[in-house]
Amino acid sequence: SQQGEEDPQALSIQEGENATMNCSYKTSINNLQWYRQNSGRGLVHLILIRSNEREKHSGRLRVTLDTSKKSSSLLITASRAADTASYFCATDQAPTGANSKLTFGKGITLSVRP
Amino acid sequence: DAMVIQNPRYQVTQFGKPVTLSCSQTLNHNVMYWYQQKSSQAPKLLFHYYDKDFNNEADTPDNFQSRRPNTSFCFLDIRSPGLGDAAMYLCASRLEYNYGYTFGSGTRLTVV
Repeated sequence: SQQGEEDPQALSIQEGENATMNCSYKTSINNLQWYRQNSGRGLVHLILIRSNEREKHSGRLRVTLDTSKKSSSLLITASRAADTASYFCATDQAPTGANSKLTFGKGITLSVRP
Repeated sequence: DAMVIQNPRYQVTQFGKPVTLSCSQTLNHNVMYWYQQKSSQAPKLLFHYYDKDFNNEADTPDNFQSRRPNTSFCFLDIRSPGLGDAAMYLCASRLEYNYGYTFGSGTRLTVV
């Protein structure tokens, strides 16, 4: 069953603006991950945040996790046209451990206008 | 560069004709996954291997099988493809628990 639900479904911004994408989930997790997918391609891992972490940064990416609200957000700062892609949140559900597996949301389509 | 490689990128098969998709990884990862992704949908896990241990998802049709002859290679066999099996098939691997996944570029399967 689908675990992550992203919001909004589609986002269109101007180059240079920040993009904020949200994800909510239903059950306890080990970690939450964000992926990017360019049209017709595979997924690229962006960032992983563990259940005991609240915030993580990687370059222009900032991810927050609120386990009490079962939600996460991905912020892309100073967006570029090359950031145009679909973004997926995926949850690794407890307590599967070594056999853990990711469950993906439907994704957010981000368009960055030059 | 170490990566996950899927072949072919595009596969056209006839309705009912068995087809095999292949995946290899040079990362020496323990775990390999096969996901199915239909247009504008979330990737859906079909099955995964932890080393040689095979884990099938409860709702994966019997039509889908998998083989992992060694650490590097994993195959997806579709015994009798139907029109509804047309999708992007994504292979991924990871080293261990609490690591991100490395995905291949996918194989787009068309059933005619």
